[in-house]
Amino acid sequence: QAQLVESGGGVVQPGRSLRLSCAASQFTFSSFSLHWVRQAPGKGLEWVAAITYDGGNKYYADSVKGRFTISRDNSKNTLYLQMNSLRAEDTAVYTCVKEGGFSHPDAFDIWGQGTLVTVS
Amino acid sequence: QSALTQPASVSGSLGQSITISCTGTSGDVGFYNVVSWYQQSPGNAPKLLIYEVTKRPSGISNRFSGSRSGNTASLTISGLQAEDGADYYCCAYAGSGSLYVFGTGTKVTVL
Repeated sequence: QAQLVESGGGVVQPGRSLRLSCAASQFTFSSFSLHWVRQAPGKGLEWVAAITYDGGNKYYADSVKGRFTISRDNSKNTLYLQMNSLRAEDTAVYTCVKEGGFSHPDAFDIWGQGTLVTVS
Repeated sequence: QSALTQPASVSGSLGQSITISCTGTSGDVGFYNVVSWYQQSPGNAPKLLIYEVTKRPSGISNRFSGSRSGNTASLTISGLQAEDGADYYCCAYAGSGSLYVFGTGTKVTVL
């Protein structure tokens, strides 16, 4: 069964940096676009960033553009999110999400459990 | 890119049908055939219920159905069951830039 496991969250001071990782298993990692979605405590879901299957194209929400960088290492089946210049409003659970490919186009069919980032 | 608008809460009795709306703009919900719906139970990751406005993934009950009219998409849950109590989110493709936008979320209570 396809699985995504995030790591790297924690407490960080405003203005500092943090890198999240997401390890994938049980699916052909290099064939799918991947996303980061976040959820602030008690709030709704917010799409953060996306990267195509080969890393050739990257997209960001306006709220993180210029501060966050998404990347992937297909040889390690791992997705990353480098977060710089962190702000209090970036506090959230960050979840790695797999796009559905041909089976479920433009939908998010596999979600990790998330990692909590607290900026304080 | 503003969040899509959903009602904060919807309730219904066991066996009834409820509908959750998701209002966007002519640049997202109303333009692209890319609207999906997710169910999030407390403490759990979201689960895909509907994709491409009306399609159900394998294993999702046919009690869940999606539709769209203009800039508003809808999720209907028929034959409401106790386990349907959860938060529901819509999501739409918004084009270049901020690719996707989620709805504000709806808490479903089964009476």
